[in-house]
Amino acid sequence: DAGVTQSPTHLIKTRGQQVTLRCSPKSGHDTVSWYQQALGQGPQFIFQYYEEEERQRGNFPDRFSGHQFPNYSSELNVNALLLGDSALYLCASSLSKTYRYNEQFFGPGTRLTVL
Amino acid sequence: AQSVTQLDSHVSVSEGTPVLLRCNYSSSYSPSLFWYVQHPNKGLQLLLKYTSAATLVKGINGFEAEFKKSETSFHLTKPSAHMSDAAEYFCVVSEDGYQKVTFGTGTKLQVIP
Repeated sequence: DAGVTQSPTHLIKTRGQQVTLRCSPKSGHDTVSWYQQALGQGPQFIFQYYEEEERQRGNFPDRFSGHQFPNYSSELNVNALLLGDSALYLCASSLSKTYRYNEQFFGPGTRLTVL
Repeated sequence: AQSVTQLDSHVSVSEGTPVLLRCNYSSSYSPSLFWYVQHPNKGLQLLLKYTSAATLVKGINGFEAEFKKSETSFHLTKPSAHMSDAAEYFCVVSEDGYQKVTFGTGTKLQVIP
């Protein structure tokens, strides 16, 4: 079992550009959540996808959007990048029928740097 | 609304001495509580979880935590620190029936040889 995988590992963009990050969940998991972890901070919840729809969303602007595919993999898109979007972006997967416990498995993250 | 407060941003202990990382939570519903560890340049790893079964929860690597509803606390402890325990630790709360989780700001644990 490969666990949760994310690509790319590192990314450098300039202000105003758009970026797409990718995540493959742990085998058997059907729910994907995305988090932003700024330097020295705890992860902040961006949104969660289940059955190809956004189920929950944190306090992030509409510049942050996502998608989930039929194979449960997911993409995070960020438009009009700002310097403040520089962070580690974490993907976590879980199994929806265990929602009561919501144990999430995290990927290693994508480090985004906006210049 | 749910929230979690980690009371110490940094904790320093000597190798072989006890570890105590403090966490207080706020939740409108029956919460699930977790502790995750993040080693430098590595992903988050689940240490332990509380899901309304036993209030004393044992996790990996000798860590344990006790859920105290009256104090709204979920402190993480370990009897004897090891050098490999040096990392950042996050307390996490999730309200019953909801998928959204909230992380604390983290506690960096330093272990002195």
